[in-house]
Amino acid sequence: RKEVEQDPGPFNVPEGATVAFNCTYSNSASQSFFWYRQDCRKEPKLLMSVYSSGNEDGRFTAQLNRASQYISLLIRDSKLSDSATYLCVGPNYGGSQGNLIFGKGTKLSVKP
Amino acid sequence: DTGVSQNPRHKITKRGQNVTFRCDPISEHNRLYWYRQTLGQGPEFLTYFQNEAQLEKSRLLSDRFSAERPKGSFSTLEIQRTEQGDSAMYLCASSLSQYNEQFFGPGTRLTVL
Repeated sequence: RKEVEQDPGPFNVPEGATVAFNCTYSNSASQSFFWYRQDCRKEPKLLMSVYSSGNEDGRFTAQLNRASQYISLLIRDSKLSDSATYLCVGPNYGGSQGNLIFGKGTKLSVKP
Repeated sequence: DTGVSQNPRHKITKRGQNVTFRCDPISEHNRLYWYRQTLGQGPEFLTYFQNEAQLEKSRLLSDRFSAERPKGSFSTLEIQRTEQGDSAMYLCASSLSQYNEQFFGPGTRLTVL
């Protein structure tokens, strides 16, 4: 089982829709997660950190469910500019701490 | 622009040639990471530095790959005897410490013919 797994999508949604992505992780010791956003042919950029208490930033809400070992990202009132690939990211505890383990990404396409 | 920079942005080479990429991290960042990304995949960790010390290398990093960060500032990634399977986007990231956000550079896209 891969350390971080995501549904690759694509998710095709109309503007204004609410869309949710889930990501599962295998290492129960992991405590910090992130959602990165990556636009086509661009570098990943941090969207949100994921805390056990949940994290909300405007239209975006990230949550961590330790019991089921999954992380979620909810986007409300989606905009055309939200179209991108969303990468679920966890820490690597297999080696020295610090480097990140990325999921394959979930592609979101918001249509007018 | 004080973000992470990478050069070159694109590199096309013939199989068997050596290539070297450079990464300039954000100036006060102690940690520097190299990742590789192929189409449809997330970035995969290659190696990282704490200042000038290379602390970890992934199993993905074959003997043909070598990375340096001689003065704890910029870093270079060299690939010797390139193969077609080396074609990918090579991403560099830096952070203040292991607990801080990693900021990525724009990447170097390598195409091996």
